[in-house]
Amino acid sequence: ELKVEQNPLFLSMQEGKNYTIYCNYSTTSDRLYWYRQDPGKSLESLFVLLSNGAVKQEGRLMASLDTKARLSTLHITAAVHDLSATYFCAVPYYGGSQGNLIFGKGTKLSVKP
Amino acid sequence: DGGITQSPKYLFRKEGQNVTLSCEQNLNHDAMYWYRQDPGQGLRLIYYSQIVNDFQKGDIAEGYSVSREKKESFPLTVTSAQKNPTAFYLCASSIGTTSEQYFGPGTRLTVT
Repeated sequence: ELKVEQNPLFLSMQEGKNYTIYCNYSTTSDRLYWYRQDPGKSLESLFVLLSNGAVKQEGRLMASLDTKARLSTLHITAAVHDLSATYFCAVPYYGGSQGNLIFGKGTKLSVKP
Repeated sequence: DGGITQSPKYLFRKEGQNVTLSCEQNLNHDAMYWYRQDPGQGLRLIYYSQIVNDFQKGDIAEGYSVSREKKESFPLTVTSAQKNPTAFYLCASSIGTTSEQYFGPGTRLTVT
């Protein structure tokens, strides 16, 4: 059974600060996805990480994947209020009856002035 | 424009009534999914379908039913057997089972 753990689950940051969200998973997987959810809205895709060592950046967000460590990070640089949202990581599960993507519980980010 | 549509956006029902949520995609994706999200919580998988005329139960299928008669459509019925149906329901689709999922805008169901 694949388990996906995110930490922290809640993060309150000040504008201008840096921080990292972690996503650990329990079994081998070759890829990982990050999603963003604004309050009351659906999920939108942020990053698709398809191989070990993959790094993607968009604006103040940078995501990386280490498949050997079974770890992905989402780094926030100089946070701004617009980044306030819940961030989910998701890992493909290749067997069993759990469905196809296993989602972490999400990290709720609040950026304060 | 390609995408996933869900309707209605908001739905109100009385307890004991069945209700069907619509999900349509024009992305030519084979796989489709239904998730439930409760306030402040993550996603829980209800049902998924990898191909037309086939679907699998997810973690919380009890009280729900689905059909997949067309590639583009994957409706979800919330039956009266679902004890606590009030929630935000999200439909998603993907090219393959390990591919990135694309989400619809969601349906917020309130049952009183």
